[in-house]
Amino acid sequence: GENVEQHPSTLSVQEGDSAVIKCTYSDSASNYFPWYKQELGKRPQLIIDIRSNVGEKKDQRIAVTLNKTAKHFSLHITETQPEDSAVYFCAASTGRNTGRRALTFGSGTRLQVQP
Amino acid sequence: NAGVMQNPRHLVRRRGQEARLRCSPMKGHSHVYWYRQLPEEGLKFMVYLQKENIIDESGMPKERFSAEFPKEGPSILRIQQVVRGDSAAYFCASSSSPGTGEEKLFFGSGTQLSVL
Repeated sequence: GENVEQHPSTLSVQEGDSAVIKCTYSDSASNYFPWYKQELGKRPQLIIDIRSNVGEKKDQRIAVTLNKTAKHFSLHITETQPEDSAVYFCAASTGRNTGRRALTFGSGTRLQVQP
Repeated sequence: NAGVMQNPRHLVRRRGQEARLRCSPMKGHSHVYWYRQLPEEGLKFMVYLQKENIIDESGMPKERFSAEFPKEGPSILRIQQVVRGDSAAYFCASSSSPGTGEEKLFFGSGTQLSVL
């Protein structure tokens, strides 16, 4: 089955700096890669996603890049703010061909933005 | 649109009791997923259901755990004879995209199960 590795497990940045979180996946059939943000004690919330037919997607201060050849994708947050502090999860879809349509999640990155 | 509703938010059970967790998907969604999250860990897939069908239960333990999504009413995750190791947050998610393999999942607020 799909295996998603996520790094780093913790990340501390100064307010205004950029943060980068990286993920790799194992199943070359995966074709959908969302990112979720989870604040303490709350539900995971979708913040951005990318499909396999594009290499980059941007939404204000958040961008995601995908390298299908290398099977890795990254989340970039620019001009970080204290409210960006949370745990971020990457995920990959195992694809319709396997009969499974669930997402496989990475282990999470705890981002701390220091004011 | 009320979003994905889970109840209860917190559930305390003694070892050996049964736990029943409920999930109502977003309006218009017919796909439900259950995930388990241990403290400081990621979300582990348990089971994927459509109405009256279990599509994929490969992440769910064979013993003591079961799930259903009846034609009417919420999806239920049932854990029989709970043990301390079952203590975790259980999240339900729903989606509306059938058969694409590219599901936007929307999560509920979770049920925190504590086994004494």
